[in-house]
Amino acid sequence: QSVLTQPPSVSAAPGQKVTISCSGSSSNIGNNYVSWYQQLPGTAPKLLIYENDKRPSGIPDRFSGSKSGTSATLGITGLQTGDEADYYCGTWDGRLSDVVFGGGTKVTVL
Amino acid sequence: QLQLQESGPGLVRPSETLSLTCTVSGDSIRSSAYYWGWIRQPPGKGLEWIGSIYYTGNSYYNPSLKSRVTISVDTSKNQFSLKLNSVTAADTAIYYCARRRYYKLMGATSDAFDIWGQGTMVTVSS
Repeated sequence: QSVLTQPPSVSAAPGQKVTISCSGSSSNIGNNYVSWYQQLPGTAPKLLIYENDKRPSGIPDRFSGSKSGTSATLGITGLQTGDEADYYCGTWDGRLSDVVFGGGTKVTVL
Repeated sequence: QLQLQESGPGLVRPSETLSLTCTVSGDSIRSSAYYWGWIRQPPGKGLEWIGSIYYTGNSYYNPSLKSRVTISVDTSKNQFSLKLNSVTAADTAIYYCARRRYYKLMGATSDAFDIWGQGTMVTVSS
């Protein structure tokens, strides 16, 4: 059981948009910044978003992040077959003194 | 270009100690801006933070693993290491090392792993 809750899967057709939610509490998302990771099949996770909505160099602006209260959202626009991957949210939990991750969401391009 | 590479045995017997090393290349592990961490992923499952270390040797651990984990750093070799003792089959996972950006910003904590190693599979079995 992950501390952060994500939907197991989302899907959409190429070119469409998907959003992935990440729900937490005041001890984690509510009072700290959220990061998002993309894990392509058979590879290591890759940082997509940090500080809720900032993209590292090289990450296309098709990927966006936002946060409201104790929830965060990752958006992917112009969906491509190469976006098929598992996506994880993560943050610091001040009550647990622990880095916490969501259980991951599998994105499928129909 | 910063790169991280994990190394160590791929098979560990139950009750023994898992030992892995992460070699950092392309930058100094002595950077004051970063921590260095270990994350694992059991087959088909999600990510679990194991712990992190600063170049000064200050270490921080996942509370659920703290009693079994030791992370150390060797700045002369630009490496940091993980030891997990008394392993069981539940410790079978891909183990990743990563650079951790951890800082306070406007009263909130920003915590992200921005560079990852490729990962190494460790199986606990007799």
